[in-house]
Amino acid sequence: DAGVIQSPRHEVTEMGQEVTLRCKPISGHDYLFWYRQTMMRGLELLIYFNNNVPIDDSGMPEDRFSAKMPNASFSTLKIQPSEPRDSAVYFCASSLGHSPLHFGNGTRLTVT
Amino acid sequence: DQQVKQNSPSLSVQEGRISILNCDYTNSMFDYFLWYKKYPAEGPTFLISISSIKDKNEDGRFTVFLNKSAKHLSLHIVPSQPGDSAVYFCAASGGYGGSQGNLIFGKGTKLSVKP
Repeated sequence: DAGVIQSPRHEVTEMGQEVTLRCKPISGHDYLFWYRQTMMRGLELLIYFNNNVPIDDSGMPEDRFSAKMPNASFSTLKIQPSEPRDSAVYFCASSLGHSPLHFGNGTRLTVT
Repeated sequence: DQQVKQNSPSLSVQEGRISILNCDYTNSMFDYFLWYKKYPAEGPTFLISISSIKDKNEDGRFTVFLNKSAKHLSLHIVPSQPGDSAVYFCAASGGYGGSQGNLIFGKGTKLSVKP
């Protein structure tokens, strides 16, 4: 079991650029979550999917953020255009039903 | 407005002694609580959970206690080991349709266990 795989591990970009974060959930898991961790706000849920369908995106900060899950083994979180305040660690997690979440190792995003 | 609060940012304990990490919550609709452990440069990993119908759950060296009337839970680690040094997050769910996906996390407590 390779666990939840996120790429890239680190991303440094300039303000205004598009950023795409990627996630491969654990095979067989039917829930996928995107979280963001900052010093000020801690871990916040951005959006989650069930069977590839977005269920709750109320945590997405604004229209600059979008997430997709085209199939059961892949999801993306896109920020366009990126801003310095988007700098954070972004975690993807997956679960089977209501079992505890399994987190990936995160993507550290720095927007300069 | 933090619904899950971990008021101690850090805790230092001697190896072999008990570590007690505390967590308070404000939403009485929460019905499931979890503790996650996080090492640097890694994602949080699930440690132990408790349902609101219980007041205690034990797993090896780890015990979680829930006091619903006080809206308080705590994680006890006995005996503490240097490998337990990590950031511990308290999380709660429920009151949002029951999906565990709507986990509300505290900001974490950094535990240091000294040899």
